[in-house]
Amino acid sequence: KAGVTQTPRYLIKTRGQQVTLSCSPISGHRSVSWYQQTPGQGLQFLFEYFSETQRNKGNFPGRFSGRQFSNSRSEMNVSTLELGDSALYLCASSLGEKGTEAFFGQGTRLTVV
Amino acid sequence: GQNIDQPTEMTATEGAIVQINCTYQTSGFNGLFWYQQHAGEAPTFLSYNVLDGLEEKGRFSSFLSRSKGYSYLLLKELQMKDSASYLCAGLNSGGYQKVTFGTGTKLQVIP
Repeated sequence: KAGVTQTPRYLIKTRGQQVTLSCSPISGHRSVSWYQQTPGQGLQFLFEYFSETQRNKGNFPGRFSGRQFSNSRSEMNVSTLELGDSALYLCASSLGEKGTEAFFGQGTRLTVV
Repeated sequence: GQNIDQPTEMTATEGAIVQINCTYQTSGFNGLFWYQQHAGEAPTFLSYNVLDGLEEKGRFSSFLSRSKGYSYLLLKELQMKDSASYLCAGLNSGGYQKVTFGTGTKLQVIP
C-alpha cells in the first residue's frame, strides 16, 4: 500500500510570509502527527490530529496550526514565517492507538530567507 | 513531556555489537520507541517497549527498565548500512500519540 505522502518536498519562503504543508497518511490511518526537525533540536512534536480533531499539542507558538480533513489528509500552516522556522517538517501517520507504530513521510524541507 | 537523553555520537566496528543508551523522565511515561533515521531520509520504526525486559528482533534488541527510566538499543553483527541516527522517543501517558523524541545518536560503523 502507498506510504505517507508529503507535499511539497522543498519550499523556499520569505520572512513574514505564510506556508501550508500537506500530508496524506496511509490508507486506513486516522492519526496524523507533525514534527519539526532541526540539527540542533532533533524532532520536536508539533501536534497530532485524529478523526479531524486535534488530540495533542506540543509547545509551539500559535503561528503553527493544523487541520485534518474527513479523508484523514492533514495540512499544517505556519504564518508570519521567521528565519528560525527553517527546518524539515515531518508528518507521521498511524492507526492512532497507544504505542502503535508511526510511519513517517519523507518530509518537507522549508527554507525561510 | 519527557526529558529524553541519549549520547550524541558513537562509533563501532563492522561485525561488532553496540549498545545505545537512553534515559528518560519516568513521570508521565507510557512506553518507549526506537527509530532509525538514515541521513536525508524519514525515520523508520524499530521497536516499542512498554513492559520491562528485552525484546529481540533479528539483529536488533531493545531493553526497558521502567523503574530506572532507562532503555537501550542493542545492535549485533554490525553492518555498514547500520550507520544512521537512532532516535529514542517516549510516549506520554494520556496522549495517544504524543511522542517526545531525543536528539538522536549518530552511529558510524567503520570497517
